[in-house]
Amino acid sequence: KAGVTQTPRYLIKTRGQQVTLSCSPISGHRSVSWYQQTPGQGLQFLFEYFSETQRNKGNFPGRFSGRQFSNSRSEMNVSTLELGDSALYLCASSLGPGQGYNEQFFGPGTRLTVL
Amino acid sequence: AQSVTQLGSHVSVSEGALVLLRCNYSSSVPPYLFWYVQYPNQGLQLLLKYTSAATLVKGINGFEAEFKKSETSFHLTKPSAHMSDAAEYFCAVSEEGWADNTGKLIFGQGTTLQVKP
Repeated sequence: KAGVTQTPRYLIKTRGQQVTLSCSPISGHRSVSWYQQTPGQGLQFLFEYFSETQRNKGNFPGRFSGRQFSNSRSEMNVSTLELGDSALYLCASSLGPGQGYNEQFFGPGTRLTVL
Repeated sequence: AQSVTQLGSHVSVSEGALVLLRCNYSSSVPPYLFWYVQYPNQGLQLLLKYTSAATLVKGINGFEAEFKKSETSFHLTKPSAHMSDAAEYFCAVSEEGWADNTGKLIFGQGTTLQVKP
């Protein structure tokens, strides 16, 4: 079974631009969570989607948004990029609610650099 | 509110020595607890998880962890370190299934394990 895939793997943008990152979950997984990893703040939860609905959201500004499609693939968007948005963005997929604990499987991440 | 504290941002051991990485958690409900490993330029790989079954949990690559409710700890150990264990390790807590905490892991700051030959 293929793992979680994220595209692109690396991205360089300039301040003020916007960016869209993509995540394809493991086949059969319907929940996708996003995390931001930086040296200063560590790993922080951004949001989680299940059945095309955002179920939970972390403490990030409204510039960070996401969506999920009917095939469970998810995208996250960051508008008006700031230097502090430079980070590794990790996507994780899981089966979804009602399955007891949902083990999250992580993708390799997208490394975003904002210049 | 959930939180995770990993004691020691860097741990250095000799090859063959005991590995002990410390994790303490705070949770208002029975938690699920995890240890993940991250190698450079890669995502996170699950080493082991505690989901309210046995308190001593065995994971991959010879790692294990013990859930101690009285100490709110979930320390990771490995009897004999190998060079390939050098990586960054993260402890995480989840209150999956409880309102407002679905699909959300709270991570510690991470511990970098260095293994010396």
